[in-house]
Amino acid sequence: ETGVTQTPRHLVMGMTNKKSLKCEQHLGHNAMYWYKQSAKKPLELMFVYNFKEQTENNSVPSRFSPECPNSSHLFLHLHTLQPEDSALYLCASSHHGGTSYEQYFGPGTRLTVT
Amino acid sequence: EDQVTQSPEALRLQEGESSSLNCSYTVSGLRGLFWYRQDPGKGPEFLFTLYSAGEEKEKERLKATLTKKESFLHITAPKPEDSATYLCAVQATETSGSRLTFGEGTQLTVNP
Repeated sequence: ETGVTQTPRHLVMGMTNKKSLKCEQHLGHNAMYWYKQSAKKPLELMFVYNFKEQTENNSVPSRFSPECPNSSHLFLHLHTLQPEDSALYLCASSHHGGTSYEQYFGPGTRLTVT
Repeated sequence: EDQVTQSPEALRLQEGESSSLNCSYTVSGLRGLFWYRQDPGKGPEFLFTLYSAGEEKEKERLKATLTKKESFLHITAPKPEDSATYLCAVQATETSGSRLTFGEGTQLTVNP
């Protein structure tokens, strides 16, 4: 595997379900991110982890719970979601503290909440 | 607050018809401006980083330029495979970590 991978690619869940999204980066980066992308809206930053520590929570509802066990893996635990949470969820990684700050994105998980 | 505005929202070109996409930004201090390409149902693909006014970068038919208030993505003799949404993002110097602020994107369609 290369780059940033995400699983599953598609997820349909009911409002009472609990599910998790997984992200893995193979780039040797030390920062990881979760973004939400809804139609006709800019990418919304949800969470930032630097060296496994959460450094930003962008006022995200508690029904979204991130977990970063190491600098290569990132999870987003989902529970009691609402239909408006349906969106493309993107994971990204970057090198924090260096001279290049570009973020590399995974393919995303298309989430539909019914 | 950092802001990024992209124009136009959508652009239709004929194959070979060159044009430019605009990204206007407001940021207290610019650490970097980033261009990405996004195909439907996929994650954004990194294209360029620009760090200071006057800087230019090229990749195949794409050329990105930067001034103190805006960036342009010039597309020369586009092909249908250049059809995608192009995203612009900025990072501020006082940002802790690597937060990016994105624009809404320009959806480019190149007809054969």
